[in-house]
Amino acid sequence: QKEVEQDPGPLSVPEGAIVSLNCTYSNSAFQYFMWYRQYSRKGPELLMYTYSSGNKEDGRFTAQVDKSSKYISLFIRDSQPSDSATYLCAMVWGGSNYKLTFGKGTLLTVNP
Amino acid sequence: NAGVTQTPKFRILKIGQSMTLQCAQDMNHNYMYWYRQDPGMGLKLIYYSVGAGITDKGEVPNGYNVSRSTTEDFPLRLELAAPSQTSVYFCASRPLGDVRNTEAFFGQGTRLTVV
Repeated sequence: QKEVEQDPGPLSVPEGAIVSLNCTYSNSAFQYFMWYRQYSRKGPELLMYTYSSGNKEDGRFTAQVDKSSKYISLFIRDSQPSDSATYLCAMVWGGSNYKLTFGKGTLLTVNP
Repeated sequence: NAGVTQTPKFRILKIGQSMTLQCAQDMNHNYMYWYRQDPGMGLKLIYYSVGAGITDKGEVPNGYNVSRSTTEDFPLRLELAAPSQTSVYFCASRPLGDVRNTEAFFGQGTRLTVV
């Protein structure tokens, strides 16, 4: 069983705060790691992906992977009310016919 | 381009009824997926398809059937609906290729309630 653990929150922060979202996983077969953002009553959309240990930055977002600890994180700097959404981590497995195993998602609210 | 289109957006079914959730994509993607998302839970894979005429089971296929007769369409069939199938259903598609350059695109979802 390929399992992913993610704290569902909810998480409420003031505008401008740094947000840390985390997932742990148990299966070393996971090769890539993705973060999806899902606004209320919408489909998920890809935010970032990483495939190696270390950090990857994209604007205010930083994805971090620690394969030795089987732990991934998403940091949001200078959080904005428009960042309010559910954030889902997803683990990639299966080679070219890859599939995604999702965490439960963390509901984030950024208060103005 | 419309992307991934799901119909209907909402539906209420009675126990034992059947229905088909429609999914269409206009991006010529090879891969298509059906997920369900229960409240406070992540997405669970129901079925997927790697191309027209080829489908396979995901994590939670029981109670569902799929077909893929064209590249564009991937309908999900519920036979004998049960309350446990109350959920939000998402269809997704992605192109052929490596994970590093093949993003999956999701539809807006179908909210199904079985009473």
